[in-house]
Amino acid sequence: DGGITQSPKYLFRKEGQNVTLSCEQNLNHDAMYWYRQDPGQGLRLIYYSQIVNDFQKGDIAEGYSVSREKKESFPLTVTSAQKNPTAFYLCASSSQSYGYTFGSGTRLTVV
Amino acid sequence: GENVEQHPSTLSVQEGDSAVIKCTYSDSASNYFPWYKQELGKRPQLIIDIRSNVGEKKDQRIAVTLNKTAKHFSLHITETQPEDSAVYFCAATVMGSQGNLIFGKGTKLSVKP
Repeated sequence: DGGITQSPKYLFRKEGQNVTLSCEQNLNHDAMYWYRQDPGQGLRLIYYSQIVNDFQKGDIAEGYSVSREKKESFPLTVTSAQKNPTAFYLCASSSQSYGYTFGSGTRLTVV
Repeated sequence: GENVEQHPSTLSVQEGDSAVIKCTYSDSASNYFPWYKQELGKRPQLIIDIRSNVGEKKDQRIAVTLNKTAKHFSLHITETQPEDSAVYFCAATVMGSQGNLIFGKGTKLSVKP
């Protein structure tokens, strides 16, 4: 997947459960991002991280949490506080000179 | 902050015709404008990009034009084929800064055989 791997591809969450989506990159990119995409909609920024051990809220951060303990990894946790989590989640990374590379996405469904 | 508007939201063309998608941006400091193609259920793929030091860039049937004064940029697809059917996103950012890539809401292109 072009050096950025998301897992799992499909994920099912029960009501009140926290789930974690994995995102790993081997592109040596400093910045990493999480986007949410709803059917027929654009990409909305959840969280981003420009450097290890630092991250910032995007436009729709409520109900989500992230960590950036390693340059290669930027996991996203969807907490029980996120009331409508069913969506397609995309992770991306970027370098200042190259641009954005996206992972293949995780489709999360509440059951 | 940056705001990107994209039009139209849907576009239907006959195979062989041209398709044009237009975007406007608000931040005059933006200097990098990529276009992504997303097929159903898949990740966005970069198809072409342009930096603010050029006005036009072409790659086979795809071209992008940039008007910095008007803060417009457009994607042009010539000789459209059914496999061009997808959702296309424009985006803008200040490359080399701490800015994030801001996306338009997308255009669903349908190419009818």
